[in-house]
Amino acid sequence: AQSVAQPEDQVNVAEGNPLTVKCTYSVSGNPYLFWYVQYPNRGLQFLLKYITGDNLVKGSYGFEAEFNKSQTSFHLKKPSALVSDSALYFCAASNAGNMLTFGGGTRLMVKP
Amino acid sequence: GAGVSQSPSNKVTEKGKDVELRCDPISGHTALYWYRQSLGQGLEFLIYFQGNSAPDKSGLPSDRFSAERTGGSVSTLTIQRTQQEDSAVYLCASRSQPNTEAFFGQGTRLTVV
Repeated sequence: AQSVAQPEDQVNVAEGNPLTVKCTYSVSGNPYLFWYVQYPNRGLQFLLKYITGDNLVKGSYGFEAEFNKSQTSFHLKKPSALVSDSALYFCAASNAGNMLTFGGGTRLMVKP
Repeated sequence: GAGVSQSPSNKVTEKGKDVELRCDPISGHTALYWYRQSLGQGLEFLIYFQGNSAPDKSGLPSDRFSAERTGGSVSTLTIQRTQQEDSAVYLCASRSQPNTEAFFGQGTRLTVV
C-alpha cells in the first residue's frame, strides 16, 4: 500500500530565512509526487510535481522540491520565506495505478 | 465548468438524517476522489473512481457511507444516519492521468447537530 509521511506537524521559520518542509513516501514502481498548499478556509492549490527528469523541480510562488530516490524523499523548499507563505502544506504520491495518497500535512508558520 | 464544483458549500443537518454531497468534476477527467478533512487537519481518503473500473472503497469509515459516479462524470457521496463525528469538510478532486495534478473543489462543510 502507498503511504506518505510528513514528520513535522508544524515548521516555524523567520521571514527571509530558507524553509524546508519534509516528505517521505512509499510507492511501488515509479512515483509521481506532488505538493499542495491550503490557505485558511480555502481549497487545496497545486504547487509543483515530480514526474521524471531533473530531481529539482520548480513550482509556484518561488517554491521548489528535491526528489531523492535513495531516501524516498520529496522535500519542499524555498530560499527566502514570506509571512504570506504561512499555510498548511500537503505532500502527495501516486503511481501508474492512479491512487492518490496524501501526507498528514505540515503547518508552516513564518514570523516577521 | 472550468473547475471542480461541489454542492452544497455548507450543510447543517440533524443527527440521524441522511445527506447527499455532490461533486461535478472537470470534463474528461477519468479519476475522481473523495477526501474528508476535519478542522485544520489532514486529508482522510474515502473513495476513488477510475473510469469504468470498480471504485476503491477502502477508505470509507463505515457502511453508512456510500458513493456513486453516474456516467463517468458527476459523483454523489451519501452519508446515512449522520453522526456528530461525521462533521468535517468533504473534498472532491479529479484528474485525467496518474502523472497529472488533481484539481480540488472548494469542499462541502458538513455540520451535524
